[in-house]
Amino acid sequence: GENVEQHPSTLSVQEGDSAVIKCTYSDSASNYFPWYKQELGKRPQLIIDIRSNVGEKKDQRIAVTLNKTAKHFSLHITETQPEDSAVYFCAASTGGQNFVFGPGTRLSVLP
Amino acid sequence: GAGVSQTPSNKVTEKGKYVELRCDPISGHTALYWYRQSLGQGPEFLIYFQGTGAADDSGLPNDRFFAVRPEGSVSTLKIQRTERGDSAVYLCASSYQGQGTDTQYFGPGTRLTVL
Repeated sequence: GENVEQHPSTLSVQEGDSAVIKCTYSDSASNYFPWYKQELGKRPQLIIDIRSNVGEKKDQRIAVTLNKTAKHFSLHITETQPEDSAVYFCAASTGGQNFVFGPGTRLSVLP
Repeated sequence: GAGVSQTPSNKVTEKGKYVELRCDPISGHTALYWYRQSLGQGPEFLIYFQGTGAADDSGLPNDRFFAVRPEGSVSTLKIQRTERGDSAVYLCASSYQGQGTDTQYFGPGTRLTVL
């Protein structure tokens, strides 16, 4: 079955700097890749997603890139703010219903 | 409109007891998912419903776990003979049609603690 790895597990950046989180997946049939943000004690919330027919997608300070050949995708956050501090999860889906999540990256934005 | 809701928010039980966790999906969403999230981990898929039927229960860890969705809306996750290893946050999510590229909206979770 699908396996999703995520790096780094923790990431600290200075406010205003960029943050990059990378995920790899194993199943070449995966075609949908969402990113969720989870604040402490809160529910995961979708922040951006990308489908396999697109290489890059951007929404204000957040962007996701997908390399299908290498089977990896990355989350890019620019101009980080303290409120960006949270745990970020990537996931992969083959178009079925089973989303496989990565283990998460704890991002800390230092003021 | 209202998001996905789950009750209770916290449940403490003793080893060997039976528990039920409830999920109310977003109105009109036909697909409903249960996940389990252990501390420091990502959500782990348990079961998926399309309407009233369990379309994929491959993530249920063993036969102590069971879930129902009798009217295609509210779902209940049932755990028999609870074990300490069952302690986790149980998340429910729903999506509009259950297409693999549909956004899944998560509930706040139920934190289950088995003593």
